[in-house]
Amino acid sequence: DTEVTQTPKHLVMGMTNKKSLKCEQHMGHRAMYWYKQKAKKPPELMFVYSYEKLSINESVPSRFSPECPNSSLLNLHLHALQPEDSALYLCASSQANQEKLFFGSGTQLSVL
Amino acid sequence: AQSVTQLDSQVPVFEEAPVELRCNYSSSVSVYLFWYVQYPNQGLQLLLKYLSGSTLVKGINGFEAEFNKSQTSFHLRKPSVHISDTAEYFCAVSDLRDDKIIFGKGTRLHILP
Repeated sequence: DTEVTQTPKHLVMGMTNKKSLKCEQHMGHRAMYWYKQKAKKPPELMFVYSYEKLSINESVPSRFSPECPNSSLLNLHLHALQPEDSALYLCASSQANQEKLFFGSGTQLSVL
Repeated sequence: AQSVTQLDSQVPVFEEAPVELRCNYSSSVSVYLFWYVQYPNQGLQLLLKYLSGSTLVKGINGFEAEFNKSQTSFHLRKPSVHISDTAEYFCAVSDLRDDKIIFGKGTRLHILP
């Protein structure tokens, strides 16, 4: 299994809602990532987990809250988002920083 | 901190013609370099990577790239493109210090019939 699975594929939420994005990989990778990608822009790194511990937080607003329950799962909890947070949220995993990132297909998020 | 620059936001090229997508990087330490491709409505897929060794790297789908340390470049090339190569191409850099992988702004490859 060389896939990274993200759910849901699409999400529409209001600014007062609480929702979660989920990511799963069964490749035994030790690092998992959240990226945010606006239309026609490159992916921007948000968070990195290494061995289930948060190793990088790129000064992301607290309305985004990551969680890594175990080595295969990565969540991104969303609360009180703004319309400008609408974007494609990509999850990725890798075995090490010199190895390639395996990307999921992303969750297309719309905040109304 | 490392950074990567893709000077061309889009590159039009005729089908079966050669193409080069440019990438320059900046870093004070040794880096790993990658090219990723993103097809519409999909995540990113690795084309090729340079870690060390031979400066000419061959990847999937007939793409190759050459690492040039003196020019701090890692340009992507393909001798003959196909309609199916229409996509966004991202150059990325990572150094040895952490798990951070930074992407360039991307180059849209537009294949003309």
